[in-house]
Amino acid sequence: NAGVTQTPKFQVLKTGQSMTLQCAQDMNHNSMYWYRQDPGMGLRLIYYSASEGTTDKGEVPNGYNVSRLNKREFSLRLESAAPSQTSVYFCASSEAGTPRRSYEQYFGPGTRLTVT
Amino acid sequence: AQSVSQHNHHVILSEAASLELGCNYSYGGTVNLFWYVQYPGQHLQLLLKYFSGDPLVKGIKGFEAEFIKSKFSFNLRKPSVQWSDTAEYFCAVMARGSQGNLIFGKGTKLSVKP
Repeated sequence: NAGVTQTPKFQVLKTGQSMTLQCAQDMNHNSMYWYRQDPGMGLRLIYYSASEGTTDKGEVPNGYNVSRLNKREFSLRLESAAPSQTSVYFCASSEAGTPRRSYEQYFGPGTRLTVT
Repeated sequence: AQSVSQHNHHVILSEAASLELGCNYSYGGTVNLFWYVQYPGQHLQLLLKYFSGDPLVKGIKGFEAEFIKSKFSFNLRKPSVQWSDTAEYFCAVMARGSQGNLIFGKGTKLSVKP
């Protein structure tokens, strides 16, 4: 099992450009999450999807959109990138919402995004 | 609203020293508690977790943490650190019934000198 995979690993954008970060998990998890990690700020939740077909805002959703394409895939889109969105983005998944309810989140390797 | 506080931003220790990293949370209800570790250039990995039962939980690589409900704390400990423990450590809290959302602390960077 690959676990949680993310593409791309690195990306440089100019202000105003758009892009989509891809995330996929092969653990049959119901819930998926997008975080951003900034120095000294820890991880902050951008959006999450508790189950296929649902998405909800997290702590810092402004400037982002998400799509839960199917149970495996959860993408994050920046419509018009800004320098403030320079960050490392992590996708995660968990069994939350299933009878097992182990709640542990499994993280992908991250995407380092720079917006100039 | 829930919040997580990690008291130390950066801890520097020599090999074989003992480690304790503080974590306090604010939430009045039942919580699940986690410590994650991020080695340089890598993604987050789970060190240990507490859901219920024995408040002293043991994780991987010799780490343990104690949940003290009266103090809203979940401190991470290791009796003797190694150079390979150099990493950033994140405490995280999940309120029961919150759809599995984690609230992370800002992290503590641990540097272990050989």
